[in-house]
Amino acid sequence: DGGITQSPKYLFRKEGQNVTLSCEQNLNHDAMYWYRQDPGQGLRLIYYSQIVNDFQKGDIAEGYSVSREKKESFPLTVTSAQKNPTAFYLCASSRTGDSTEAFFGQGTRLTVV
Amino acid sequence: AQSVTQLDSQVPVFEEAPVELRCNYSSSVSVYLFWYVQYPNQGLQLLLKYLSGSTLVKGINGFEAEFNKSQTSFHLRKPSVHISDTAEYFCAVSDRYSGSRLTFGEGTQLTVNP
Repeated sequence: DGGITQSPKYLFRKEGQNVTLSCEQNLNHDAMYWYRQDPGQGLRLIYYSQIVNDFQKGDIAEGYSVSREKKESFPLTVTSAQKNPTAFYLCASSRTGDSTEAFFGQGTRLTVV
Repeated sequence: AQSVTQLDSQVPVFEEAPVELRCNYSSSVSVYLFWYVQYPNQGLQLLLKYLSGSTLVKGINGFEAEFNKSQTSFHLRKPSVHISDTAEYFCAVSDRYSGSRLTFGEGTQLTVNP
């Protein structure tokens, strides 16, 4: 089945540690996205990539980094510079161009203690 | 720049009652509109989308939405809800300049009670 796989589903880290969230898709989509979800705030765009080896900052990129070395993969690193990293992180992909819908993974819940 | 406002953060209803979840948007250009549903600790699933053409859009699970350009609204409706419709619903917008990037509303938690 085609889809987007995020792993792990739950992740716990100590404060000050970097952590990398995995996102893989086999939909042959060019575009991939990372969103952060907090209660009552909807989804906010962290980073997006429309083609391999290229990515752009979204609305809340500070404290995060990404890479796009392969079309299928778009890992997100939450660095120690992110002041409030505990959240639900969602990865999505889509075809490029306007009017296209995004397909979402099942999410990773990150808790920093 | 675009924005989306979902006018109700929580909507409680009884089973088999009708429901309307309200969404207003702001954009200076023509928009594409989407409704997504999220079940607890899950990703988002597309319910329906408006790209162009008929302003009444039908989606999955018996939901429909109507695009109203003059009121800049895209309200989601279902004539009779089930317990299984309990979830969070997100309205989202994009346009030909934002491409495939979506701007989301804050979400509406629909709770269907027996």
